[in-house]
Formats: sequence, C-alpha cells, structure tokens
Amino acid sequence: EIVLTQSPATLSLSPGERATLSCRASQSVSSYLAWYQQKPGQAPRLLIYDASNRATGIPARFSGSGSGTDFTLTISSLEPEDFAVYYCQQRSNWPAFGPGTKVDIK
Amino acid sequence: EVQLVESGGGLVQPGGSLRLSCAASGFTFSSYSMNWVRQAPGKGLEWVSYISSSSSTIYYADSVKGRFTISRDNAKNSLYLQMNSLRAEDTAVYYCARDKNWNYVWYFDYWGQGTLVTVSS
Repeated sequence: EIVLTQSPATLSLSPGERATLSCRASQSVSSYLAWYQQKPGQAPRLLIYDASNRATGIPARFSGSGSGTDFTLTISSLEPEDFAVYYCQQRSNWPAFGPGTKVDIK
Repeated sequence: EVQLVESGGGLVQPGGSLRLSCAASGFTFSSYSMNWVRQAPGKGLEWVSYISSSSSTIYYADSVKGRFTISRDNAKNSLYLQMNSLRAEDTAVYYCARDKNWNYVWYFDYWGQGTLVTVSS
C-alpha cells in the first residue's frame, strides 16, 4: 500500500504570496500523481495530473512538479479564491489520497 | 456541460442497506469509467470503487469489499452503489467521479455534489 503524506498540514499566507505544498509517497509512484482543490461544502476539483499537467480550465498560477516520491504544488500568487484544502492523489496502484493541506488566510 | 448528480443518501441503521445513484449528463457516459469516492465528516478523501465503461472490470477498496456493489446502466446514463451491512464508519459524503479518460484512469476530472450517508442507531 502506497501512503501519501502532505506538508505542512496548514499554510497561513496572504493574498499575493506564493504557496508551496509538498506531497511525499512512501514508495515511487513515477509521475502518477494528481492535485485537487476542495472548498467547504464543495466537491474536489482536479488541478494537476501526471504531476505537472494542468487540467482543463486551471489558471497558470497553479503548477506541479516532481516525480518518484517527492512532489510539489506551487501557487505563484494566491488569489482570494485559492484559500482551500489541497489533496494529492496517486494512481500508481489503487488510488489513494493524501491527508490534505489547508491554505488559509493569514 | 458535464453534470453528475448523486441521490439516495440518508440515515440508516447499522447493518442496513442503501442504494446510491448518480445521474450523468453532458458527455457520452458509456465511454467513461466511473468511480465512487467518499469523505467522512471533517476528514479526507477515500476511493471506494471503480467500474469500467462496459462494466467488465470492477474494483473495490478493501474497506468495502464484500459489502458494496458498484454497477452502471449505460442506457440510462446512471451509476449505482449498493451498500449492504452498513457500519458507522461508512458515514460519509459519497461522490461519483468520472475518470479523465481511458488513458488516465483514476484521475477524477468531474465530480458530483455528493450525497450524505449517515449510519447510526
């Protein structure tokens, strides 16, 4: 079973700042990693797939990088609507999600 | 516009059964594999089950294997989850989620709004 860990658990930032979220896998998932954004009361939204590909309609301020066991989601300049919980998810074997990182307003 | 609309959630006693439905529109349902993903209150996301476009391949998470059954009706553009022997730990919002495409199975590009299942006496 591949376990994903995310850090930090909470990231407190101001609008306009850069956000860097980390996801680490317990074993290599190659590039089979996605990132989702979830706002309160809403379903998750796919942001990034295959580690670095933006999903349809996702703004360019969202970028993903990494391979193997270490991955990063970067939001270059936080907009008010970006404050949310972010989950990484691997599909290397059975799909599994990380515990999430909450990005809240400082 | 792609839409996924779940229904069928509610309050059920431990050991009881419930059937969830997901009505799909805005895309060729029969061409896409589908999934159920759940989220316990205040918790993270957990994949529950997968069904291929033709229903030929089905997978379950260990936590629900033997108790839940996924199915689909391509003529009705609908996905189902039959849940039996329900436990308190099955309490969650259940989402249906579409796979991005045949080459990107288990990347979930569209989600429904979710339906809440509460297992309690």
